[in-house]
Amino acid sequence: AQTVTQSQPEMSVQEAETVTLSCTYDTSENNYYLFWYKQPPSRQMILVIRQEAYKQQNATENRFSVNFQKAAKSFSLKISDSQLGDTAMYFCAFMKPRWGSGNTPLVFGKGTRLSVIA
Amino acid sequence: NAGVTQTPKFRVLKTGQSMTLLCAQDMNHEYMYWYRQDPGMGLRLIHYSVGEGTTAKGEVPDGYNVSRLKKQNFLLGLESAAPSQTSVYFCASSLRAGADNEQFFGPGTRLTVL
Repeated sequence: AQTVTQSQPEMSVQEAETVTLSCTYDTSENNYYLFWYKQPPSRQMILVIRQEAYKQQNATENRFSVNFQKAAKSFSLKISDSQLGDTAMYFCAFMKPRWGSGNTPLVFGKGTRLSVIA
Repeated sequence: NAGVTQTPKFRVLKTGQSMTLLCAQDMNHEYMYWYRQDPGMGLRLIHYSVGEGTTAKGEVPDGYNVSRLKKQNFLLGLESAAPSQTSVYFCASSLRAGADNEQFFGPGTRLTVL
């Protein structure tokens, strides 16, 4: 079974600084997708960035970028120029290429609570 | 375009009571999902639907039932609520299966069972 591990329950960063959130996963699949979701205090789950396993180039979305190391099964999220609005829970998630009844398409980590300090 | 909406936003039940959570999406998505989120854990899939009139079990289906009579609506029912079902419930939808089809989430329903 696939598992996703986020080893940092809580982190903090000064405004305008850079922070990296860690994520490792376990799978025997060769082709899959990885995601980072943001959940602010409003509870809304927001997709931040996605990475396709067959693409070697790391995904970027404005201030958000990932460091995808397929052999090491590592998928970290870097937030540059941190802003107060980045304060949220961040979930790493793995999507299986095939799934069905009794299973789940998205396997989530337990989350990292990020606080951006002014 | 409201996206994915959920009603109610909050609910308190007594053990043994029943209730239905409603999820609605206006994006013409085929797939809809119900997740639960417990403290210190990520989201876990309860049930899902791949189209109108279909439902299937997810990772943690026990104690819940679902129905998808209309494409835009996905209902989650608790027939006899238990304290273990205290959680935040999220509905999501996607155009199709596959990771290139983003799942859009509703704002969540906080349910407390006393």
